[in-house]
Amino acid sequence: GAGVSQTPSNKVTEKGKYVELRCDPISGHTALYWYRQSLGQGPEFLIYFQGTGAADDSGLPNDRFFAVRPEGSVSTLKIQRTERGDSAVYLCASSPRGRGRFNEQFFGPGTRLTVL
Amino acid sequence: DAKTTQPNSMESNEEEPVHLPCNHSTISGTDYIHWYRQLPSQGPEYVIHGLTSNVNNRMASLAIAEDRKSSTLILHRATLRDAAVYYCILRDVGTYKYIFGTGTRLKVLA
Repeated sequence: GAGVSQTPSNKVTEKGKYVELRCDPISGHTALYWYRQSLGQGPEFLIYFQGTGAADDSGLPNDRFFAVRPEGSVSTLKIQRTERGDSAVYLCASSPRGRGRFNEQFFGPGTRLTVL
Repeated sequence: DAKTTQPNSMESNEEEPVHLPCNHSTISGTDYIHWYRQLPSQGPEYVIHGLTSNVNNRMASLAIAEDRKSSTLILHRATLRDAAVYYCILRDVGTYKYIFGTGTRLKVLA
């Protein structure tokens, strides 16, 4: 079946602009996660959705970052007033549920964001 | 969050076994040990996980020390396609997020 998809695959923007990154999770997965990965580092947790609600947004670096998942499926990560330091690969993952004994996360290929 | 320590990089010859170590001396009783790997230009993918007993699946084996302070991911016959960054991660059964470290970059030599 279809895996997690993310669009666009690459996004180049100018400092100060607004960007939206989209994630389509695996159908039926109630849990959705956003991570950010800088060059040479492991992915860094940003936010976790269980259904439509953000259950944990403790990883969002500041109030320029916001994410939504209005119908409990597709999610959009929004970044306002982008800065050069926001340049990274943004990864989305989904899983059948959030907590539990085991809950494999399925990752998308990521969106590479470059802020000039 | 309990942390893991892994070597930055390792090399292996093709078709030979590879043992990727991970130290997690502060592991708690409810932490599961997970391994993910990230191939170039892709998102991480699940490899294997375990709690106390050694585990085997089609991709790899996981050997867990008796005191659970360390574990080893074993690839029985490395192929060029196994070249990736391998992450060892602890995750409490009651939580949902992964805390990734920098992982081990595995290079497979033809």
